[in-house]
Amino acid sequence: AQKVTQAQTEISVVEKEDVTLDCVYETRDTTYYLFWYKQPPSGELVFLIRRNSFDEQNEISGRYSWNFQKSTSSFNFTITASQVVDSAVYFCALSDTAGGTSYGKLTFGQGTILTVHP
Amino acid sequence: DAGVIQSPRHEVTEMGQEVTLRCKPISGHDYLFWYRQTMMRGLELLIYFNNNVPIDDSGMPEDRFSAKMPNASFSTLKIQPSEPRDSAVYFCASSPTAGYNEQFFGPGTRLTVL
Repeated sequence: AQKVTQAQTEISVVEKEDVTLDCVYETRDTTYYLFWYKQPPSGELVFLIRRNSFDEQNEISGRYSWNFQKSTSSFNFTITASQVVDSAVYFCALSDTAGGTSYGKLTFGQGTILTVHP
Repeated sequence: DAGVIQSPRHEVTEMGQEVTLRCKPISGHDYLFWYRQTMMRGLELLIYFNNNVPIDDSGMPEDRFSAKMPNASFSTLKIQPSEPRDSAVYFCASSPTAGYNEQFFGPGTRLTVL
């Protein structure tokens, strides 16, 4: 069965520090999709990035970067020079066929609470 | 373009009452998802629809929960009768396709059952 594990429940850093959020996933599919979402204190879920299982290139977007490694089933997220506005809950998620023939189920990790102190 | 719209944003009700949560997906999105978020269980998929048809309702906790999508622009999640353990934030999300496209989430409905 598909599973997403975010082992870090809470992380606390001081502004300008770099921080990496870990995500490990399990799936039997060879084709699957990975996502990161951000949930700020206001509560909405904001999409950050999508990766498919055939694209292992790392991606950088401003202060955000993602490291996808199929060999270790990991999809880690790094924030460089963190800012107070980065404080949020971050979710890693997996979309696969769940053993069926169609996609649809998005399985979320438990989330990592990131607090950036000024 | 407007995002996913949910109503009400907050609902406080008493145990035993019927609760109806509403969702308007983004126009043109063929998939609609209902999630529940609690501290204990995190984010759980309850049910999802494709072209107004329920595809997978295996996450619906029990018969007290039901969901409908009478047309492409409206869906409801109903709890009857409600119980205190149903207290959670309920999110609706929509997507143009399932799987590789991101899901766009609504602001959520915070439900409190007393």
